[in-house]
Amino acid sequence: GAVVSQHPSRVICKSGTSVKIECRSLDFQATTMFWYRQFPKQSLMLMATSNEGSKATYEQGVEKDKFLINHASLTLSTLTVTSAHPEDSSFYICSAHTSRLADYSGNTQYFGPGTRLTVL
Amino acid sequence: AQKVTQAQTEISVVEKEDVTLDCVYETRDTTYYLFWYKQPPSGELVFLIRRNSFDEQNEISGRYSWNFQKSTSSFNFTITASQVVDSAVYFCALSGDSNYQLIWGAGTKLIIKP
Repeated sequence: GAVVSQHPSRVICKSGTSVKIECRSLDFQATTMFWYRQFPKQSLMLMATSNEGSKATYEQGVEKDKFLINHASLTLSTLTVTSAHPEDSSFYICSAHTSRLADYSGNTQYFGPGTRLTVL
Repeated sequence: AQKVTQAQTEISVVEKEDVTLDCVYETRDTTYYLFWYKQPPSGELVFLIRRNSFDEQNEISGRYSWNFQKSTSSFNFTITASQVVDSAVYFCALSGDSNYQLIWGAGTKLIIKP
């Protein structure tokens, strides 16, 4: 249980285009989803927290107009990188949290497999 | 403020050796959770363990074991009889009880040589 999928797993795009990344909780309803960015050989950096039906909360220094997050349902959140530039190239990871699992595991985030974005 | 320190940037051992990854945390919360995640070269984070602050019992799962000591604010992870497949980056993380955000350590890269 508690499987999170992320699509696409890898994307290469031209500078100036927008890229959408989907994060889905497959077998549970995620009340909260998180988006992280990870640079090579570094730890995860939280970009934003999104709750279903409400606006995402962005971390300091993360441009909300650049990284659009939509959490339209309890199983889907999307991150759109608008007008992507080479410096946006990174590994983007989503995670999902719920307090509704039958075997409630309290405060555990379940992670998607990540999306490697390369902007040329 | 909450903080997680993984002082070991990289560890390299020969297969079958035991290895311990250190994790030291700081928090003022009385209720908190500690985690270990494994990140193999593929990039996908694999959940290994969650421990809450009221449960100081050590845990063993196969070749993996965890030593939680509140007195030293440490949550160390030991792999016994390491294998090449254990090669990965391991992250220790902390979250409080009031929100679900994770505070991450810098990660320890573990290299197991055949």
